[in-house]
Amino acid sequence: AQSVTQLDSHVSVSEGTPVLLRCNYSSSYSPSLFWYVQHPNKGLQLLLKYTSAATLVKGINGFEAEFKKSETSFHLTKPSAHMSDAAEYFCVVTSNFGNEKLTFGTGTRLTIIP
Amino acid sequence: NAGVMQNPRHLVRRRGQEARLRCSPMKGHSHVYWYRQLPEEGLKFMVYLQKENIIDESGMPKERFSAEFPKEGPSILRIQQVVRGDSAAYFCASSPQGGDSPLHFGNGTRLTVT
Repeated sequence: AQSVTQLDSHVSVSEGTPVLLRCNYSSSYSPSLFWYVQHPNKGLQLLLKYTSAATLVKGINGFEAEFKKSETSFHLTKPSAHMSDAAEYFCVVTSNFGNEKLTFGTGTRLTIIP
Repeated sequence: NAGVMQNPRHLVRRRGQEARLRCSPMKGHSHVYWYRQLPEEGLKFMVYLQKENIIDESGMPKERFSAEFPKEGPSILRIQQVVRGDSAAYFCASSPQGGDSPLHFGNGTRLTVT
């Protein structure tokens, strides 16, 4: 069984300040973890992916995430927020080798304050 | 190079009518996945198809829902006798291979049942 919990449904930060979106997971096996971003009225875009290589994963648009097994966490960070980062972010886990087994979190809506 | 194309973007149906949602995968992609996103929830897997084959339909309701991916043409998700609870955003994703190769998502079809 697997599950993912996104701890904040909404996060607001000022432009130029750091972003932290929190995600905890539960998995019976070694998980693969993803972050996807969804801009308004758009499909989901893959930001980054962890698959048991380096624990610090760098993604697109300056985002990165760190896999911490002891804390079962995979938080998404960015040093400096940009207005274009405003979107919905989904943390995703899979323990099985297959996209059909992806389990999505409920999402965190990121708002950037000018 | 067009991405995953879904149409229509918005679909309104009265209770009892049929809804047909279409998805054209990216060029060269032969694996198609359908997900449903209910309000305030993450995406839930529905069905995984390859050309002319349903690989996994474990996430799709047994009644009223069907999906196909013919040899020629788009993948179709069909919902018969729609009910209010079917109102949701339906996303299609495609990949060139199965497994956990990155998914490319369409912009979704937002179904409203009145």
